[in-house]
Amino acid sequence: DTEVTQTPKHLVMGMTNKKSLKCEQHMGHRAMYWYKQKAKKPPELMFVYSYEKLSINESVPSRFSPECPNSSLLNLHLHALQPEDSALYLCASSQDGDSFYEQYFGPGTRLTVT
Amino acid sequence: DAKTTQPPSMDCAEGRAANLPCNHSTISGNEYVYWYRQIHSQGPQYIIHGLKNNETNEMASLIITEDRKSSTLILPHATLRDTAVYYCIVRVEPTDSWGKLQFGAGTQVVVTP
Repeated sequence: DTEVTQTPKHLVMGMTNKKSLKCEQHMGHRAMYWYKQKAKKPPELMFVYSYEKLSINESVPSRFSPECPNSSLLNLHLHALQPEDSALYLCASSQDGDSFYEQYFGPGTRLTVT
Repeated sequence: DAKTTQPPSMDCAEGRAANLPCNHSTISGNEYVYWYRQIHSQGPQYIIHGLKNNETNEMASLIITEDRKSSTLILPHATLRDTAVYYCIVRVEPTDSWGKLQFGAGTQVVVTP
């Protein structure tokens, strides 16, 4: 199984809502990532988890809160978002973070903030 | 990480080889060249990577020049499903910006019948 799954596929939320994005992999990977991609732009790294610990936070606003409850799951909790946060949110995983294993990406969650 | 430069777009005829160039003139000795692609509305997909030798897998071939300042990704028989944005990325292994892929603007490849 070389699949990373993400739910939901689409999400529309108001600026006062709280929602969560979910990512799951069953490849035994120990590094997991959140990326944000705006339209017609390349993906930008947000967070990296290694062995369920947050290793990199790319100065992401606190209205985005990541969580890694176990080695297979990665969540991104959203609260008080702004319309400019509308984007495709991509999850990825790799065998670990400090060797040259490739990253496997999920299909993404397309988020619209109204 | 070294910066990469790619042409913004390329067209390719179906069934022909697609040769995608990438310049990475500031690459250092321990930096690997990675290629990913992103088909519209999907997540990026790993294609291939290499350090100094040419590499081939079931998807593509990677040719790296002897001075390592540039590389070419070759899709040997392009199909319509190869239409995508192709990203050339340089990544240090092992790395202190670890696990971190820095995507550039990429090359939009359109394969036409």
